[in-house]
Amino acid sequence: QKEVEQNSGPLSVPEGAIASLNCTYSDRGSQSFFWYRQYSGKSPELIMFIYSNGDKEDGRFTAQLNKASQYVSLLIRDSQPSDSATYLCAATTGGFKTIFGAGTRLFVKA
Amino acid sequence: EAGVAQSPRYKIIEKRQSVAFWCNPISGHATLYWYQQILGQGPKLLIQFQNNGVVDDSQLPKDRFSAERLKGVDSTLKIQPAKLEDSAVYLCASSPRDRGPKNIQYFGAGTRLSVL
Repeated sequence: QKEVEQNSGPLSVPEGAIASLNCTYSDRGSQSFFWYRQYSGKSPELIMFIYSNGDKEDGRFTAQLNKASQYVSLLIRDSQPSDSATYLCAATTGGFKTIFGAGTRLFVKA
Repeated sequence: EAGVAQSPRYKIIEKRQSVAFWCNPISGHATLYWYQQILGQGPKLLIQFQNNGVVDDSQLPKDRFSAERLKGVDSTLKIQPAKLEDSAVYLCASSPRDRGPKNIQYFGAGTRLSVL
């Protein structure tokens, strides 16, 4: 059973701090990795995607991928209360199937 | 560009009744997905279409769930008969890429189903 694992949280950080969200995946053949943000009662929206080992930055967001450790992370710098949401990690397996983790709830305190 | 459209937004039915959901993907997107998201869990893929062909339905409970995508555009997902455990949000997503690793998915607003 191919899986994507995330800490369910909640992760609580003060406004302006760095939030660090982590994810591990079981299928070593996974090729693409995605972070989606989901506000309560809303549908997931894409924040970042990463395909290669290393870091990828987009504004306040940085995605990190380490295929050897089967580990993906998302850093949110200068966290804002509007960042409070559930963050879903997803991996596209070698068979081109996308598997989502259960999500990490982030709470940014003003 | 219009997003993924889904209807209805909410549906309440009694167990053993049937229900259908509709999805219109982003124009030109070849790949369409139906997910089930139970409260507190991540989305679980039910079925994936490439144009009007099924490429993955391994997690679709085929004794009660069915889906079709006519003419490679709109899609419907049906549940008959519904069970209490089918209460969830049903998300439709589409992707501009064909089967491949860089398949960024765009989600519709979802249909929240309550089975009483």
